[in-house]
Amino acid sequence: NAGVMQNPRHLVRRRGQEARLRCSPMKGHSHVYWYRQLPEEGLKFMVYLQKENIIDESGMPKERFSAEFPKEGPSILRIQQVVRGDSAAYFCASSAGAGANVLTFGAGSRLTVL
Amino acid sequence: GENVEQHPSTLSVQEGDSAVIKCTYSDSASNYFPWYKQELGKRPQLIIDIRSNVGEKKDQRIAVTLNKTAKHFSLHITETQPEDSAVYFCAASKGGLTGGGNKLTFGTGTQLKVEL
Repeated sequence: NAGVMQNPRHLVRRRGQEARLRCSPMKGHSHVYWYRQLPEEGLKFMVYLQKENIIDESGMPKERFSAEFPKEGPSILRIQQVVRGDSAAYFCASSAGAGANVLTFGAGSRLTVL
Repeated sequence: GENVEQHPSTLSVQEGDSAVIKCTYSDSASNYFPWYKQELGKRPQLIIDIRSNVGEKKDQRIAVTLNKTAKHFSLHITETQPEDSAVYFCAASKGGLTGGGNKLTFGTGTQLKVEL
């Protein structure tokens, strides 16, 4: 079991460009969570998805951010027109079900906006 | 929504001593409380968790206690070793209640340094 796979691990973008971060959950997991971690801060919830459905996006900024988890393929977190404040580590986690199941985190994608 | 507070923000102990990190939560409906360890530049890794029907759980040198009435839980590390140095995060969730999945609300983290 390869665990939660995220790519790219490091991404550099200039202001105004788009960033796409991908997350493949653990085998057998159908629930995906995205978290953002600013330098030397905690993890902030962004969005919770199941296949083809956004269940909770209460932590997503209203503009420029979107997420999807298609029937086939990885979950994608998309940031349009990036700004320097978007520089952070973006972690994906997956779980097997909707209950109090353990969240397993990926290695993260570190976005740097120049 | 849920709010989790964590103290202290930094903690230095001598190798072999014990370390205690404390967290409080605000939502009495929360029922799942994991602790994650994050080394510099790495992913958060679950080290122990406790559910609301249990008051204490132990795994070798690590233990967690939960006081539901006071809405606080603590991580205890005994016989600390240099490899315990990392940032530790507590978290809370409703674990599936109201269909919200296992959305975790994290504390702000404790930087633990174990000195030789």
